[in-house]
Amino acid sequence: AQSVSQHNHHVILSEAASLELGCNYSYGGTVNLFWYVQYPGQHLQLLLKYFSGDPLVKGIKGFEAEFIKSKFSFNLRKPSVQWSDTAEYFCAVNSKTGANNLFFGTGTRLTVIP
Amino acid sequence: SQTIHQWPATLVQPVGSPLSLECTVEGTSNPNLYWYRQAAGRGLQLLFYSVGIGQISSEVPQNLSASRPQDRQFILSSKKLLLSDSGFYLCAWMRTGITYEQYFGPGTRLTVT
Repeated sequence: AQSVSQHNHHVILSEAASLELGCNYSYGGTVNLFWYVQYPGQHLQLLLKYFSGDPLVKGIKGFEAEFIKSKFSFNLRKPSVQWSDTAEYFCAVNSKTGANNLFFGTGTRLTVIP
Repeated sequence: SQTIHQWPATLVQPVGSPLSLECTVEGTSNPNLYWYRQAAGRGLQLLFYSVGIGQISSEVPQNLSASRPQDRQFILSSKKLLLSDSGFYLCAWMRTGITYEQYFGPGTRLTVT
């Protein structure tokens, strides 16, 4: 079965610092990978996704993620965070069984200090 | 455009009482539908999914059940709530056959007392 690991539970950064959130998955086949974000009081929303092609994908609000197949990783990055990036971030991998279910990591809470 | 609704937004229920949470999707047809429970520090746990009317699959054994009486309606139920059913319940939909993105509703915060 698929599983997703997010090793950083809570990250605290100052504005303008660079961000990298780790995500590792376990699955031997072809995967689709996602990062979702949940801002305080808002819906969970898609930040970016990887299906195929260029392993470096760009999402909204300046975020990007790199798929490294050999490392089973899909880390999220942003060169310079803003206070408005304070949120919880979830990595997810698509399952090829069932109804294309998503398996989520436990999430990383990011706090950006102004 | 597509929208997803959930209600109620918050709910406080006593142990042993029944539960009914509703989720509806607008602007699409024949979506896959999902119920998740989100617990602090534990991410999102898939509870049920449905690929069509009357078709429900359960991912984990539990005190809850789900039904899909109409194409764009997904209901989460319980006959008798337990304290451990407290949590944040999210409904999601996915457009079948094109991409694998899921879109989430605003969620229902359930507190069982």
